[in-house]
Amino acid sequence: AQTVTQSQPEMSVQEAETVTLSCTYDTSENNYYLFWYKQPPSRQMILVIRQEAYKQQNATENRFSVNFQKAAKSFSLKISDSQLGDTAMYFCASRTQGGSEKLVFGKGTKLTVNP
Amino acid sequence: KAGVTQTPRYLIKTRGQQVTLSCSPISGHRSVSWYQQTPGQGLQFLFEYFSETQRNKGNFPGRFSGRQFSNSRSEMNVSTLELGDSALYLCASSLNQASGYNEQFFGPGTRLTVL
Repeated sequence: AQTVTQSQPEMSVQEAETVTLSCTYDTSENNYYLFWYKQPPSRQMILVIRQEAYKQQNATENRFSVNFQKAAKSFSLKISDSQLGDTAMYFCASRTQGGSEKLVFGKGTKLTVNP
Repeated sequence: KAGVTQTPRYLIKTRGQQVTLSCSPISGHRSVSWYQQTPGQGLQFLFEYFSETQRNKGNFPGRFSGRQFSNSRSEMNVSTLELGDSALYLCASSLNQASGYNEQFFGPGTRLTVL
């Protein structure tokens, strides 16, 4: 069974600064995906970034990047140049590759960007 | 292209009643998954449907059921509602092509309140 753990229930950051959200996971699968999803107060869940477990290179999407440490089963999200619109719940999630598309989510981190 | 739509957006029921929630996936998407989101338990997987067949099921009691129609639209039903069923129910759809990664897109959710 897969599990995902986010140990930071809440975090805050000043606008334009950098913040890192932590996530650890456990899986017995060899092939899997890891994700960070954003859920703003409007509730629509949006994919922020995806990492394939077989890729050693860390994924990057504009101001968002991950630090994927496969041996440590760690998958943190770094947000650079934080913007007010980044205020949201952030969920770390995992999914096996192939077959079912079931996502296993962490409990989430509530991020507040202060002006 | 229209996104994932869920109806109704808000619903108030009383204990013991039953409820049906609907999800219309993005046009062309064949896979639909359902999640329950509560403050205490976070996001939990309910079921996944592909080509009218339930492909995976989460650890929920038999009161929770679902189905998918030939046009890929999906419904979930909860019978004999309990107070603990109060939650945001999210639906996600994807193309679910045989090879490669298929991004899942989430709907805005249905907020169910059980009184």
